[in-house]
Amino acid sequence: GAGVSQSPRYKVTKRGQDVALRCDPISGHVSLYWYRQALGQGPEFLTYFNYEAQQDKSGLPNDRFSAERPEGSISTLTIQRTEQRDSAMYRCASSLLGGVGQGPNEKLFFGSGTQLSVL
Amino acid sequence: AQSVTQLDSQVPVFEEAPVELRCNYSSSVSVYLFWYVQYPNQGLQLLLKYLSGSTLVKGINGFEAEFNKSQTSFHLRKPSVHISDTAEYFCAVSHRSSASKIIFGSGTRLSIRP
Repeated sequence: GAGVSQSPRYKVTKRGQDVALRCDPISGHVSLYWYRQALGQGPEFLTYFNYEAQQDKSGLPNDRFSAERPEGSISTLTIQRTEQRDSAMYRCASSLLGGVGQGPNEKLFFGSGTQLSVL
Repeated sequence: AQSVTQLDSQVPVFEEAPVELRCNYSSSVSVYLFWYVQYPNQGLQLLLKYLSGSTLVKGINGFEAEFNKSQTSFHLRKPSVHISDTAEYFCAVSHRSSASKIIFGSGTRLSIRP
């Protein structure tokens, strides 16, 4: 597609439910990133993939959070047993070459995000 | 671990005035530095980045930033702002050995007054 697509745009769920957030990166992009952004804060790194391999998951807050990218394209971020503190904007980004240090033209393209509200 | 500090949460300026948005980073090793912009109801876009070489980096929309290693700063500047520059600006850093793990600051909201 023309840009990074995330769905759903808004998700309201009850505490204790599981949610799955989807990211469809720009076609052909090697790397895919997940960030979480609380209101009034900058994006917080969660995890990233090169192709289907999860390269770094050090930002995932706890084991309720997981992410996958099984075919190296679409990715799903899953939050199990949601809690109110999980409420935030979840943003996905992709990049072409596999790393922001790959050259002057390499950059992250961000989606519009999924706004998650846990009641 | 690296971190980024944006001291100013909000910066109001008049249209056509110059602006500087401050950013300081903490890291004992070589880093890459970035400025991203987020317009209302949109995703983040890259303004400019510093990888190596010249310490003065020029970006889109007339913005530039200067890497100062001794002061661990990467301030963003524009000589004359427009109403369309109203947005939130994020400074970010990544360690060269894990370049794809980008750490963002808390952001500076730039509001332009006519």
